[in-house]
Amino acid sequence: QKEVEQNSGPLSVPEGAIASLNCTYSDRVSQSFFWYRQYSGKSPELIMSIYSNGDKEDGRFTAQLNKASQYVSLLIRDSQPSDSATYLCAVNKPNAGKSTFGDGTTLTVKP
Amino acid sequence: DAGVIQSPRHEVTEMGQEVTLRCKPISGHNSLFWYRQTMMRGLELLIYFNNNVPIDDSGMPEDRFSAKMPNASFSTLKIQPSEPRDSAVYFCASRRSLAGGPHEQFFGPGTRLTVL
Repeated sequence: QKEVEQNSGPLSVPEGAIASLNCTYSDRVSQSFFWYRQYSGKSPELIMSIYSNGDKEDGRFTAQLNKASQYVSLLIRDSQPSDSATYLCAVNKPNAGKSTFGDGTTLTVKP
Repeated sequence: DAGVIQSPRHEVTEMGQEVTLRCKPISGHNSLFWYRQTMMRGLELLIYFNNNVPIDDSGMPEDRFSAKMPNASFSTLKIQPSEPRDSAVYFCASRRSLAGGPHEQFFGPGTRLTVL
């Protein structure tokens, strides 16, 4: 079992819809959670971080964390074609210097 | 402030040649990470440094790979000799590490390496 698992996709949604990306992690002590967006041919870019159970909203993006169920999700409201990218979930354990990345979910938003 | 700087951006070399990738982290960041990304294996952590000291090099594939961080503003990843299977995009990332603090990493633009 991988430490961090994501549906590889591809996930396709129409423009204006809500895109839902999911990530599960295996180590219950994990403490910090991140979503990175990576456009084709570019480097990963941090878009959301979340540390506490519940929801965290930033513009059209909402990260949701449920530590009891060991999953973290990213919702993108009013999806735009410019949101088409691969989304990487990353997880940190307490006092761990490194993040563990999932393999990413590729999202395509169709006009 | 400039982001993470990597050079070269593209490197094409022949099997057996030495390759050196360079990284300048964001000023003030004290942790530096080297990753490799391929379609088959995704994003793999090769090694990371904290305050210029290598902390975890368990991801370094084999002895052909070596990394150094002689000071807080410069790191190199060297492959000698290079092989076609080393072809990948190599990312450098940096972070300001504080006890109990956030762990967001900031990635450089990457070096696309092709070994023929």
